[in-house]
Order: sequence, then C-alpha cells, then structure tokens
Amino acid sequence: EDQVTQSPEALRLQEGESSSLNCSYTVSGLRGLFWYRQDPGKGPEFLFTLYSAGEEKEKERLKATLTKKESFLHITAPKPEDSATYLCAATIAGGYNKLIFGAGTRLAVHP
Amino acid sequence: SAVISQKPSRDICQRGTSLTIQCQVDSQVTMMFWYRQQPGQSLTLIATANQGSEATYESGFVIDKFPISRPNLTFSTLTVSNMSPEDSSIYLCSVEEGGLETQYFGPGTRLLVL
Repeated sequence: EDQVTQSPEALRLQEGESSSLNCSYTVSGLRGLFWYRQDPGKGPEFLFTLYSAGEEKEKERLKATLTKKESFLHITAPKPEDSATYLCAATIAGGYNKLIFGAGTRLAVHP
Repeated sequence: SAVISQKPSRDICQRGTSLTIQCQVDSQVTMMFWYRQQPGQSLTLIATANQGSEATYESGFVIDKFPISRPNLTFSTLTVSNMSPEDSSIYLCSVEEGGLETQYFGPGTRLLVL
C-alpha cells in the first residue's frame, strides 16, 4: 500500500534553532514529492515540488531535499511566523494526480 | 497561482440533512479535486472532478453520499448527503494548473454535524 509518513508529529523550537522535518515514502513509483504549509483555519499553501533523488529547492528559511526513500524540510534560523503544520504528499507514476498525504508535523517556534 | 474560493466557509448542520459546498476558481482549470480533512488527521482524496465527465471516486467514497457537479471549467460543487456526526470535517477543493501537477487549495469548508 502506498504510504507517506512524517516525523516528528510535533516539534517545538526556539527562535533561531535550526532543525529538520522528515517525510518517508513507500510508494509503487514516485512521480513527485510535495511540501505544503497549513496554518490553522486555512487550506494548505504550496511550498515545493521535488521530482528526483538529489534534487533540492529553497525558499527563504526553508530547504527541501529528496532521496530515494525520504524527503527533508530543513528550517534554518526559524522565526515565530514559521509556526504551522507542514504537510508532505506524493504522487505516483502511472496514475492520475492523486496526492497521498502524510499526517503532518506541527511546528511551534517560540521567541 | 489560481485564486480559489469556497462557500460556505463553515456550517453547523443537523444529522440527516445535506449540504452543498461550492468551489469557484478565477481561471479555467481542467482538473479539480475534493479532499476531506477529519479532525486531527491529514487530507484524504474524495474524488476527482473533470469538466464534461463523471467524477472519479476513491475507495471508500460513493456518489450517493458525495455527489459532485462540474458544470464548467471554473466551478464545482460537492454535496455531503444524509449527514451524520462522522461527516464533521474540513472539506477542501483543489485545482491543478496548466499541467504542472501542482495542486493549489481553497480555504476549506468547516462542517460540524450535530
């Protein structure tokens, strides 16, 4: 069964304390790996798409990387406004564009 | 990216009734998707709605319970029928833009069934 697993479930950081969120995937053939940010009461906001192992993408304090088994979202020197739930999702080769989501990591950054 | 709106933003309904959720996009898109996010859980795809064809439902979701309309390239509705408290969730629509595979989400509809 195709599955996406995120860890940790929740993460508390001090402002400026860098860390990484993990997304491991077990799918029949990865086509794309997506990262979204979701704030309370809002829909997911698109951050990154990664397609092949070794690929990296950056946006401000966030950097996403991809290996053959997992993806990491690195957060450098986070600020309180980075507090949100970060969702990882995968699409599968040979299928339509169904996103298979992980359960998310709830990030809290404290000043 | 496309601007997506949903109506209503939230509602409280009685069991046994039905609610229709609207999703409006500010540009023409081929593929629209409906997801459910149950309390404390992640998103699960309900169905894919392409204009001019019947919606495609995922395992565990049926047309009688979640009928979908897609009358044009900018609009879709999802109806939650004969509701029970287990249907209390956030319902989100998303669109795929320009063959880029990336899906952009609406703000969601928060449904509470009593």
